[in-house]
Amino acid sequence: GAGVSQTPSNKVTEKGKYVELRCDPISGHTALYWYRQSLGQGPEFLIYFQGTGAADDSGLPNDRFFAVRPEGSVSTLKIQRTERGDSAVYLCASSLYSGSYYNEQFFGPGTRLTVL
Amino acid sequence: GNSVTQMEGPVTLSEEAFLTINCTYTATGYPSLFWYVQYPGEGLQLLLKATKADDKGSNKGFEATYRKETTSFHLEKGSVQVSDSAVYFCALKGDAGGTSYGKLTFGQGTILTVHP
Repeated sequence: GAGVSQTPSNKVTEKGKYVELRCDPISGHTALYWYRQSLGQGPEFLIYFQGTGAADDSGLPNDRFFAVRPEGSVSTLKIQRTERGDSAVYLCASSLYSGSYYNEQFFGPGTRLTVL
Repeated sequence: GNSVTQMEGPVTLSEEAFLTINCTYTATGYPSLFWYVQYPGEGLQLLLKATKADDKGSNKGFEATYRKETTSFHLEKGSVQVSDSAVYFCALKGDAGGTSYGKLTFGQGTILTVHP
């Protein structure tokens, strides 16, 4: 079956511009996660959704970052007034949530964001 | 908060050598522990996991044992192959009673290169 997909695969933008990164989770997965991976580092948590609501957004670095999941499926990560330090690979993952247990997270290929 | 510390790399081995990648963690309660692998040009994949103390996760010849007394989850393989060349990430997920439940906390990654 189809895995997690992310678009675009690469995004180059200029400092100060606005960008949107899209994630299509595995069908039926109620939990969706965003991580950011800088060069040579492990992924860092940004935000996760349970259904349409953000269950934990404690990893968003500042108010320039925002994410939505209006229908409980596709999610969009939005970055305003981009800065060079935002350059990284943005990873999306999804999982099933059964009862009180979050199952294995399946990762997408990532979007490589470069801010010039 | 939760944290994961991995053995620094890169690690370079000859085919059929024994592999150990050390991983220690800091967390409250009873986290679940994971090893993820990222092959060249591919996304993150779950390699193995352990959800409680003394559990051993295993897959593709790799093993790791959840040691609560030493807060460790070291990855081992008895005989590596060239195809094992990849980046390996240790990660934890907080338990259901904590504020970190759901999201993964990753180590910085260890690059493994296996030569014929």
